[in-house]
Amino acid sequence: AQTIHQWPVAEIKAVGSPLSLGCTIKGKSSPNLYWYWQATGGTLQQLFYSITVGQVESVVQLNLSASRPKDDQFILSTEKLLLSHSGFYLCAWSPAEQFFGPGTRLTVL
Amino acid sequence: TQTVSQSDAHVTVFEGDSVELRCNYSYGGSIYLSWYIQHHGRGLQFLLKYYSGNPVVQGVNGFEAEFSKSDSSFHLRKASVHWSDSAVYFCAVSSNNNAGAKLTFGGGTRLTVRP
Repeated sequence: AQTIHQWPVAEIKAVGSPLSLGCTIKGKSSPNLYWYWQATGGTLQQLFYSITVGQVESVVQLNLSASRPKDDQFILSTEKLLLSHSGFYLCAWSPAEQFFGPGTRLTVL
Repeated sequence: TQTVSQSDAHVTVFEGDSVELRCNYSYGGSIYLSWYIQHHGRGLQFLLKYYSGNPVVQGVNGFEAEFSKSDSSFHLRKASVHWSDSAVYFCAVSSNNNAGAKLTFGGGTRLTVRP
């Protein structure tokens, strides 16, 4: 069975500090991977997707970047956090419908 | 451009009641429709999807949804809810089922099931 992990579970960071969030999928080779952002109490917005190692497509620009250094790993990062980056970040993988990870809650102060 | 509307932000029912959560979409072409559930502070869980065929699709935990092209709707139903069904439900649409498909989510409906 496939499992998807996200780390860290939660982060509290200062405005202007760097950020790196990770996502790993086990039990599936060459998955399609996605990053989503969810404002508190809000809906989800797709940020990036990747269909293969080293290839990432941006859907929405939020002063974030993503990378796929390994087949099973998807990284979301920024060098300078903004207050507006606070929220819930979800990684998903798909064969067809999308399956989501447990999420990372980010608070920017 | 595809859009999704969930007209009810909050729905409250009693345990054992039936419930319908509404979803309307707008898109001119072929469309994939799905429902997800999100318990508080958790990731989303896939419930069911529709692309073609029988307009009534069955999902996990007794949920079903019915597609209506004439109404541009994909409402989610359950005949008898349990307290554990309390969560936020998201309807989502996509123009295809391929890699990179952009899922557009509705605003979500918070379902509260009272004992």
